[in-house]
Amino acid sequence: GDSVTQMEGPVTLSEEAFLTINCTYTATGYPSLFWYVQYPGEGLQLLLKATKADDKGSNKGFEATYRKETTSFHLEKGSVQVSDSAVYFCALSDSWGKLQFGAGTQVVVTP
Amino acid sequence: DAGVTQSPTHLIKTRGQQVTLRCSPISGHKSVSWYQQVLGQGPQFIFQYYEKEERGRGNFPDRFSARQFPNYSSELNVNALLLGDSALYLCASSLEEGARSPLHFGNGTRLTVT
Repeated sequence: GDSVTQMEGPVTLSEEAFLTINCTYTATGYPSLFWYVQYPGEGLQLLLKATKADDKGSNKGFEATYRKETTSFHLEKGSVQVSDSAVYFCALSDSWGKLQFGAGTQVVVTP
Repeated sequence: DAGVTQSPTHLIKTRGQQVTLRCSPISGHKSVSWYQQVLGQGPQFIFQYYEKEERGRGNFPDRFSARQFPNYSSELNVNALLLGDSALYLCASSLEEGARSPLHFGNGTRLTVT
């Protein structure tokens, strides 16, 4: 079945550092790929998405490129802020819109 | 515009009891999905409804049931609660069904079973 694997956390960074969170997937067909972010005590917010190979999703300084050849969708941000501290989830969607999530990666940004 | 709203925000129940969780989608959204998020894990798919019909069901026992009403709101029911049902239950809505219509999540209902 479909699955998503993302790097374990916590990832601890200083402000203005470069962030990368690795995500790889296994799926039949051509899923859509997503990154969601969850702040403490809140639900999930869609951060960015890509619907086909080589698409790049971007939002709020975050970027991720749909790499079919490596089945990856790594999240990057060039300069993190304390407000980026959260849990980040990589997910894929089947054709019906059902999401399969990774286990999440906690990111802690210190001043 | 209001986002996805869920009620209650917190709930404490005893083993064996039954619980009903409620969800109001974003206005105009016809699809509602439910996910269970156990502490420290990613959300797991429970149900998807579109136009009041069940479109998908995850790997959950029959103690879990749901429905969608004509106004597109939804309820999730869990019978004979177990300690392992303690989790954050997330509702999500989308304009249409299908992968190209992104899900918008509510803040969830935190269920604690003692």
